[in-house]
Amino acid sequence: AQSVAQPEDQVNVAEGNPLTVKCTYSVSGNPYLFWYVQYPNRGLQFLLKYITGDNLVKGSYGFEAEFNKSQTSFHLKKPSALVSDSALYFCAVSASGGSGTYKYIFGTGTRLKVLA
Amino acid sequence: GAGVSQTPSNKVTEKGKYVELRCDPISGHTALYWYRQSLGQGPEFLIYFQGTGAADDSGLPNDRFFAVRPEGSVSTLKIQRTERGDSAVYLCASSSGPQETQYFGPGTRLLVL
Repeated sequence: AQSVAQPEDQVNVAEGNPLTVKCTYSVSGNPYLFWYVQYPNRGLQFLLKYITGDNLVKGSYGFEAEFNKSQTSFHLKKPSALVSDSALYFCAVSASGGSGTYKYIFGTGTRLKVLA
Repeated sequence: GAGVSQTPSNKVTEKGKYVELRCDPISGHTALYWYRQSLGQGPEFLIYFQGTGAADDSGLPNDRFFAVRPEGSVSTLKIQRTERGDSAVYLCASSSGPQETQYFGPGTRLLVL
């Protein structure tokens, strides 16, 4: 079965420090991986995606993610956290539904809290 | 340009009533998705449209849920005989193709009393 795991419900980090939000996946074939951020009462905003190529993907707002095939991980990172980065972060994998259809499978989300 | 829009933003209804939730995708996007997000959970897939047809409806929880996209643009998610367990945020997303990046609307928060 295809799945995504975000092992941490919450991550706390001091402003200015580097942050990491973890994601591991299980999928057949080559994965398409995504990170989204959700602010209160807002929809999900796309941050970045990995399809193929360079294992380090750069995205919006200074975020980046590292694809590691051997560890089946796609951790989200940022060198220097901002208080405004505090939000709910979701990892997702694009999974085949058969017959050329695809759908996202999301992790349960990780709440990032950046402390001033 | 305009993003995905959803109406209403909030809907309160009574158990047993019928509700319709609307999604306007990004113009030109052929793929449209519905997800449901319960408190403290990630979004769960409900149904995927490619054009006018439902290419994958495997996520619909039961036959009380139905969705249409008659002209390949706007979609309506319909819930009959609502139950308290249907209370959630219903998210719509669209993309330019089946495996392209999905862009989400702000969601409709449904509360069934």
